[in-house]
Amino acid sequence: DAGITQSPRHKVTETGTPVTLRCHQTENHRYMYWYRQDPGHGLRLIHYSYGVKDTDKGEVSDGYSVSRSKTEDFLLTLESATSSQTSVYFCAISDVGVNTEAFFGQGTRLTVV
Amino acid sequence: KNEVEQSPQNLTAQEGEFITINCSYSVGISALHWLQQHPGGGIVSLFMLSSGKKKHGRLIATINIQEKHSSLHITASHPRDSAVYICAVRKNGNKLVFGAGTILRVKS
Repeated sequence: DAGITQSPRHKVTETGTPVTLRCHQTENHRYMYWYRQDPGHGLRLIHYSYGVKDTDKGEVSDGYSVSRSKTEDFLLTLESATSSQTSVYFCAISDVGVNTEAFFGQGTRLTVV
Repeated sequence: KNEVEQSPQNLTAQEGEFITINCSYSVGISALHWLQQHPGGGIVSLFMLSSGKKKHGRLIATINIQEKHSSLHITASHPRDSAVYICAVRKNGNKLVFGAGTILRVKS
């Protein structure tokens, strides 16, 4: 199994509080992604990173920020959590090249009450 | 319109049936992935294709680059194949874009 770990796996937080989710990889892959998965929408890209300190927005980036200060860690922050951000969050990694696989973390279930 | 469209959205099959799930995309891609997600579970990569056809056990994936279409076939389906099957394309710049998924239920 690819070395990709998400933490925490489950979190309940209150509206208005900041939340940070962590994705950690041991594969030295260049690309890292944060997705959210909601019923009826499938997986939607929040932000992705193509290298240390290099990030870009996805289709649902409002209300989220990310940071990647080293290759192995990609952090997703909800500055002020809202109930609409209740979701399951997945991290993914992939490397450079056409024939490289994508690997996924186990997901983080976030509930904002 | 979504860049990646899957059909059907839901599929119920009887054990032993041949199953086909389709994926169409509208953007230039470098590769296409088929993924599997069991209820409450993580996401596992089944195939990655950039051309032609791949087979793994009872699973077969094909891609037609000119028609921007891919299919995932399951032969001799079994209840343990019940899962969500997701098509994802790798766009230029290495962004992964996902289809909404196909919920498959195989009844015994």
